[in-house]
Amino acid sequence: EVQLLESGGGLVQPGGSLRLSCVASGFTFRNYAMSWVRQAPGKGLEWVAAISGSDDRTFYPDSVRGRFTISRDSSENTLYLQVNSLRSEDTAIYYCAKAWTHTNMVLEYWGQGTLVTVSS
Amino acid sequence: EVVLTQSPATLSLSPGERATLSCRASQNVDNYLAWFQQKPGQAPRLLIYDASNRATGIPARFSGSGSGTDFTLTISSLEPEDFAVYYCQQRKTWPPLTFGGGTKVEI
Repeated sequence: EVQLLESGGGLVQPGGSLRLSCVASGFTFRNYAMSWVRQAPGKGLEWVAAISGSDDRTFYPDSVRGRFTISRDSSENTLYLQVNSLRSEDTAIYYCAKAWTHTNMVLEYWGQGTLVTVSS
Repeated sequence: EVVLTQSPATLSLSPGERATLSCRASQNVDNYLAWFQQKPGQAPRLLIYDASNRATGIPARFSGSGSGTDFTLTISSLEPEDFAVYYCQQRKTWPPLTFGGGTKVEI
């Protein structure tokens, strides 16, 4: 059974940083693309990062490029999202999601999310 | 960037009725479109991938159709547990992966 468990969220001041984690189980983690998707309170879904399987290429939308960094530790079956220079508009639940294959971005499994609140 | 526009924003129906949700893409996405269901306090759940294929464990009352720029999610007969928000998402042209704004199906 595929399981994804996020952690690392919390309250952070504007300009601060956090590292979010997603521990994966139930599949061969290094072989699959993974994504982070966020959802601001009461809003829709926004994709913020992806990493391909096997060769770990990374992808970002313009809105977070340069501030967010996705990475993985396949020995620990853990996906990370380093979020820097946080702004109030980054307040959201952050979900990790497993893709269909190493590059096919059908997001078939999702974790329950971790809440990031950016406020002074 | 491919913009996905969902309509209507809210759909008010009763159990047993048929729901028809629309997703329109700003450019051709072939059939690389997925639908997700999200209930309050829960993560999104994949319903349909590649426009018309049901994901594992999804009931047959959910069906998807369309290609190119116009897509439809149909729920043939609403069950009480189907009242939720539904999102479409494309993977034809990325980055970025993009989602529609959502349709809320309410009683």
